[in-house]
Amino acid sequence: GENVEQHPSTLSVQEGDSAVIKCTYSDSASNYFPWYKQELGKRPQLIIDIRSNVGEKKDQRIAVTLNKTAKHFSLHITETQPEDSAVYFCAARDLNTGNQFYFGTGTSLTVIP
Amino acid sequence: DAGVIQSPRHEVTEMGQEVTLRCKPISGHNSLFWYRQTMMRGLELLIYFNNNVPIDDSGMPEDRFSAKMPNASFSTLKIQPSEPRDSAVYFCASSGLDRYRYGYTFGSGTRLTVV
Repeated sequence: GENVEQHPSTLSVQEGDSAVIKCTYSDSASNYFPWYKQELGKRPQLIIDIRSNVGEKKDQRIAVTLNKTAKHFSLHITETQPEDSAVYFCAARDLNTGNQFYFGTGTSLTVIP
Repeated sequence: DAGVIQSPRHEVTEMGQEVTLRCKPISGHNSLFWYRQTMMRGLELLIYFNNNVPIDDSGMPEDRFSAKMPNASFSTLKIQPSEPRDSAVYFCASSGLDRYRYGYTFGSGTRLTVV
């Protein structure tokens, strides 16, 4: 089955700086890669996603890049703000089979004001 | 759409008691997933259903755990008997496979405490 690894497990940045979280996956059949943000005591919520036919996607201060050859994808947050502090999860899924999402272990991001 | 609805939000029960968690997926979603989240183990997939049929229950920790999906709009996760180590937040999520609905939508979760 798929194996998704996520790094780093914790990340602290100064407000205004950029944050990058990286994930690798093992199954070349995976073709959909979402990122979830989970604030303390709340549910994980989808913040951005990318399909394997696209190399990069951007939504305001967040962007995701995908390298299919190397089987890795990254979340980039620019101009970080304290409200970006949360746990971020990456995931991978094969849409053709409709099987489960495989989640990374999460990155706890702290933005220091 | 009200999203994925879970009940109860919080449950405190005594060891040995039966616990039933409930989930109503988003209408039209054909996949439903039960996750358990703890600090130690993060998000663990317990079981998932496609079109109401259980596909993979390899994550169910023990026979004390069981899940059902009698129809497309309702699922239950039952723990009998409950133990203190079952204390966690249990999330239900649903997903569609049509062109515009790929992502999981999580419910608000049920925080279970077994004392």
